[in-house]
Amino acid sequence: GAVVSQHPSWVICKSGTSVKIECRSLDFQATTMFWYRQFPKQSLMLMATSNEGSKATYEQGVEKDKFLINHASLTLSTLTVTSAHPEDSSFYICSASLAGVNIQYFGAGTRLSVL
Amino acid sequence: AQSVTQPDIHITVSEGASLELRCNYSYGATPYLFWYVQSPGQGLQLLLKYFSGDTLVQGIKGFEAEFKRSQSSFNLRKPSVHWSDAAEYFCAVGAEGNDMRFGAGTRLTVKP
Repeated sequence: GAVVSQHPSWVICKSGTSVKIECRSLDFQATTMFWYRQFPKQSLMLMATSNEGSKATYEQGVEKDKFLINHASLTLSTLTVTSAHPEDSSFYICSASLAGVNIQYFGAGTRLSVL
Repeated sequence: AQSVTQPDIHITVSEGASLELRCNYSYGATPYLFWYVQSPGQGLQLLLKYFSGDTLVQGIKGFEAEFKRSQSSFNLRKPSVHWSDAAEYFCAVGAEGNDMRFGAGTRLTVKP
């Protein structure tokens, strides 16, 4: 149980284009989903927390207009990197948790390469 | 706010040897503590967690961790390391509302 699927696993795009990453909880309803960014050989940095049906809460320093997060249902959250630039290249990981259960289950991550 | 320190960036052990990965946390209340493992290019897999109760917790893949409140530590141990254990290990501390902070990670290399 508690499987989180993230898609795509790898995406290459041109500078200036937008990229959407999906995060799905396959066998449970995720009241809260989290988006992290991980640079090579570094830890995970929380970007934002999203609760189903409400606006995401962004961490300090994360541009909400650049990293659009939508959590339209209890099983799906999306992260859209708008007008991507090479400095946005990174490994993005989502996680999901149940209400009242303080465990996050992680997706396999998405490697974004912006040319 | 909570924070986590993993003092060892990289550890190398021989296959079959014992392993201990250190984790120290800072949090005002009783924390929720986690160890996750990440293989290259992959997401994180939960090894074990501590919420309350018995301070020695057992996890998957033969790992265990001990919560020591007096030392603000939650060290991960395994009595005999296998080559497949080579990965990045992250300690994390959580709070109510799922707010979680990760340590910088410890990369484990296993020598044949």
